Amino acid sequence: QSVLTQPPSVSGAPGQRVTISCTGSSSNIGAGYDVHWYQQLPGTAPKLLIHGNSNRPSGVPDRFSGSRSGTSGSLAINGVQAEDEADYYCQSYDSGLGGSRVFGTGTKVTVL
Amino acid sequence: QVQLQQWGAGLLKPSETLSLTCAVYGGSFSGHYWSWIRQPPGEGLEWIGEINNRGSTNYNPSLKSRVTISVDTSKNQFSLNLMSVTAADTAVYHCARLAFRLGRRPHNWDFDLWGRGTLVTVST
Repeated sequence: QSVLTQPPSVSGAPGQRVTISCTGSSSNIGAGYDVHWYQQLPGTAPKLLIHGNSNRPSGVPDRFSGSRSGTSGSLAINGVQAEDEADYYCQSYDSGLGGSRVFGTGTKVTVL
Repeated sequence: QVQLQQWGAGLLKPSETLSLTCAVYGGSFSGHYWSWIRQPPGEGLEWIGEINNRGSTNYNPSLKSRVTISVDTSKNQFSLNLMSVTAADTAVYHCARLAFRLGRRPHNWDFDLWGRGTLVTVST
């Protein structure tokens, strides 16, 4: 069972803004550990989308942005496009039970 | 361009040992940590563990008793062994690279490169 909670699904019409939350606790995001985000298109491996809370790797469109506040992280897609329909996962580090890299529960983004 | 190529047995019986290997092509092997991550069908991602070129490992506490990750620096490869598998270990297993980010603590490194994944099914 994941220690990072995401909404199972979000949706939006093309061009709209959609946001995905990643809620943790005082042993992970709230302890200051960074949040990273991955996009997984159907049948493919995850791809790094945001690292270090808000940094976009080269090649990632600037409509994707990330932030962290308190015990949560957030991913926003400003102007969602059809090709953004995918599963999205947050990831951080949890210091409990000996320490472990942890992933969120995942969010399916549907473009209406 | 760095690529990860992975292979291993895709069908196991309960109680057998899962063995997968990942080779790193086209880039530096040392200076990074290398990980295994799995994803049960229709479910989310689970970090299994990681290793560096010196053989230093970290494991998911929930799997630690059954997992061994090893490295062969002469071949730029690292491997996963998971003992005593059950149906609950059925998943796509990915190898991945932890990105070394200057000025960032290792706990805050991200997975910047992934293998394509290997489906491992445990069934009688």
